[in-house]
Amino acid sequence: AQKVTQAQTEISVVEKEDVTLDCVYETRDTTYYLFWYKQPPSGELVFLIRRNSFDEQNEISGRYSWNFQKSTSSFNFTITASQVVDSAVYFCALSETDSNYQLIWGAGTKLIIKP
Amino acid sequence: NAGVTQTPKFRVLKTGQSMTLLCAQDMNHEYMYWYRQDPGMGLRLIHYSVGEGTTAKGEVPDGYNVSRLKKQNFLLGLESAAPSQTSVYFCASSFRGRNTEAFFGQGTRLTVV
Repeated sequence: AQKVTQAQTEISVVEKEDVTLDCVYETRDTTYYLFWYKQPPSGELVFLIRRNSFDEQNEISGRYSWNFQKSTSSFNFTITASQVVDSAVYFCALSETDSNYQLIWGAGTKLIIKP
Repeated sequence: NAGVTQTPKFRVLKTGQSMTLLCAQDMNHEYMYWYRQDPGMGLRLIHYSVGEGTTAKGEVPDGYNVSRLKKQNFLLGLESAAPSQTSVYFCASSFRGRNTEAFFGQGTRLTVV
């Protein structure tokens, strides 16, 4: 069973629209960490955010915001006023006690921002 | 700042050939990882290391070997390449383990024909 599900394979929006990328996870641990990474067309993976399971406060960083809800096991990522430079594949990942040092990755959501 | 550097960036191998991918990090990180990325599957951990001289298997270790003789270097070897190993390989490092961010190299695109 998928432990990290990114159900949206590809999203396409017009520049300046808001867009939300969904991430649903599954774990039995009480202590775990969630991550978002960005992979632009150039290929490298760029860290965006880390959240631990005890911190349910939403995070905002410029046009980016993250909504962590333990009740629904979701850690969604919203880009406000999207820009062409936001076009990338975005990955959600989970780190749990049982996985030792492994990050469990979602399949990624390809975001296309049209000018 | 170099960060994590992978060499080579591209390689084409014939089935049965061997090769070594080199990963070097200059951040004095303890933990290093090798992942492979295949379309629609996210990243999968091949092997990892929690310090100099240590290695451990990840999710998909078969067909690969690794070595961490120096803290800054993590080598990934393919002894007898197979077409199923065609993938993009990423090296990463982190200061600590699972609760810290990982820094990634630019990737190596390997094609086995």
